[in-house]
Amino acid sequence: QVQLVQSGAEVKKPGASVKVSCKASGYTFTSYAMHWVRQAPGQRLEWMGWINSDNGNTKDSQKFQGRVTISRDTSASTAYMELSSLRSEDTAVYYCARDGACSSTSCSFDLWGQGTLVTVSS
Amino acid sequence: DIVMTQSPDSLAVSLGERATINCKSSQSVLYSSNNKNYLAWYQQKPGQPPKLLIYWASTRESGVPDRFSGSGSETDFTLTISSLQAEDVAVYYCQQYYNTPYSFGQGTKLEIK
Repeated sequence: QVQLVQSGAEVKKPGASVKVSCKASGYTFTSYAMHWVRQAPGQRLEWMGWINSDNGNTKDSQKFQGRVTISRDTSASTAYMELSSLRSEDTAVYYCARDGACSSTSCSFDLWGQGTLVTVSS
Repeated sequence: DIVMTQSPDSLAVSLGERATINCKSSQSVLYSSNNKNYLAWYQQKPGQPPKLLIYWASTRESGVPDRFSGSGSETDFTLTISSLQAEDVAVYYCQQYYNTPYSFGQGTKLEIK
């Protein structure tokens, strides 16, 4: 069935990096862009960036000041999000979410991964 | 950046009654070239990812019950649940996808009275 399956929970120390994967199945991976969204405890959903799964072009939120790297492996139908220089405030559930491709510009997110909890603690 | 503000923060409604959640954007999310509002609504239940309910401000996603409806334009939007069911207990978020960084409201927690 159509789904996004993310990698498992991670515990990292401050200053380290984390790489979360998101494997797509049930649809043509390169036909839909992929977004990354995080949700810190008690906070609103926060958009981190996205990747054009076909050509690999990316855009990330300036809030992360270059700490986010989004990539994909089309042969594995998998998108990745790497966050570097981790701090305690990065403790959150990280989601991948498929762009619904309802227009030539952008769309709502019609399919979400199950989420990956990243805990940053010394 | 576009700031999304929802009201109220929490809401308690009796089963079978109407629930209304509001969302205001700090600037218009109406794209003039196609006359579409780049506004979506999501439902999130505890321990689950968000689920898309409404896009283009008023288009119901496939499989979403017709008791859910969206309305509004430019900067003011509303999600209405016409007859609240027990399974509708959740947090609801609005989101603009007009331009990056795409942004979400703070969420409205809906409970049964």
